[in-house]
Amino acid sequence: DTGVSQNPRHKITKRGQNVTFRCDPISEHNRLYWYRQTLGQGPEFLTYFQNEAQLEKSRLLSDRFSAERPKGSFSTLEIQRTEQGDSAMYLCAAGRTGVYGYTFGSGTRLTVV
Amino acid sequence: AQSVTQLDSHVSVSEGTPVLLRCNYSSSYSPSLFWYVQHPNKGLQLLLKYTSAATLVKGINGFEAEFKKSETSFHLTKPSAHMSDAAEYFCVVSDLKAAGGTSYGKLTFGQGTILTVHP
Repeated sequence: DTGVSQNPRHKITKRGQNVTFRCDPISEHNRLYWYRQTLGQGPEFLTYFQNEAQLEKSRLLSDRFSAERPKGSFSTLEIQRTEQGDSAMYLCAAGRTGVYGYTFGSGTRLTVV
Repeated sequence: AQSVTQLDSHVSVSEGTPVLLRCNYSSSYSPSLFWYVQHPNKGLQLLLKYTSAATLVKGINGFEAEFKKSETSFHLTKPSAHMSDAAEYFCVVSDLKAAGGTSYGKLTFGQGTILTVHP
């Protein structure tokens, strides 16, 4: 148990469908990040929440992507009209203000066919 | 802006020999630096972190890294490799302050170094 749970672990979807991933950090984690990792690459930053506020979004986060953290606890990442290029591992990381480093979840692997 | 360059995409060593994984960083501010390890089909695990305290940082599993500001380097070392060390390693930088003075702590990852350990 890393303290950050992600569901589902794997998702296979057809191109054009919408998908939603969920991240559940422990309650002390007021900071929450989403990253995307494609094969052979390091994770790339997508977006950042401090409590319920979305404070930063990467240019990688196109209009088809939306993330929420409605009560400052769990977070969801939705991808609309999925494309094959969206196939990747989506990682959630969480931490606390003043504490360096973050705990990563095990990720959700998305395959778009 | 911050960036990380891992100088080797693959490193191969024999069990019991030293490990050196090289990392150079670029940061506009005082950086925090990390090494993460990712075993196949496993999540990212923090090995060690540098946050402006001692320049020689000790981590888990016998790994350590030295922050050298003059060389903008943060190389990862281990005196004696073990078979279980075989994994992908990521050097990571995080600016303490983004533009405007707000600390977001966003992590920027290198491309990764795959470490292979031979018996």
